[in-house]
Amino acid sequence: SQTIHQWPATLVQPVGSPLSLECTVEGTSNPNLYWYRQAAGRGLQLLFYSVGIGQISSEVPQNLSASRPQDRQFILSSKKLLLSDSGFYLCAWSGDLAETQYFGPGTRLLVL
Amino acid sequence: AQKITQTQPGMFVQEKEAVTLDCTYDTSDPSYGLFWYKQPSSGEMIFLIYQGSYDQQNATEGRYSLNFQKARKSANLVISASQLGDSAMYFCAIDFGNEKLTFGTGTRLTIIP
Repeated sequence: SQTIHQWPATLVQPVGSPLSLECTVEGTSNPNLYWYRQAAGRGLQLLFYSVGIGQISSEVPQNLSASRPQDRQFILSSKKLLLSDSGFYLCAWSGDLAETQYFGPGTRLLVL
Repeated sequence: AQKITQTQPGMFVQEKEAVTLDCTYDTSDPSYGLFWYKQPSSGEMIFLIYQGSYDQQNATEGRYSLNFQKARKSANLVISASQLGDSAMYFCAIDFGNEKLTFGTGTRLTIIP
């Protein structure tokens, strides 16, 4: 069966520091991968999605970036964090772009 | 514009009763997919049920069913015989044919013993 992992689970970072969140999927090949952010008490906002290695589509212009160095690895990065980057970051995968997305456990990021 | 509305920010339901969570949407596209997710306090988004816009029958998955009314652009989630473990945030999400999921703002469901 397929599983999706995210780490770290929680992170507290100062403003201006860099960020790297990692997401990996097991049990499937060539998944579509997604990064979402959820502000406190709000719905999910799609940040990036990827249909293959090195292929990244950005949904919202911001100081975040994403990379897919391997088939089942998706990384969310920032060179300098802002206070507004605080939130709950969720990674998801699907077998195809129109199919059900399955989510990882998420990373809670607090920027101080 | 494609939009999802969940009008109930919070609901309180007695254990063992049925509960209906509302979801309405606006789109001019004839083809789309409807999803419901559950988010417990741990934060993980758990897929519950899917309905395609051309599906003739309403989807069911165990205690979950989707009351799909295409003409009304409504896709309500029905949970039968609610349990304490059903307490969570519930999100309606739609793939409007652009291969991305758009999420509603969610409904916080609390089951009262």
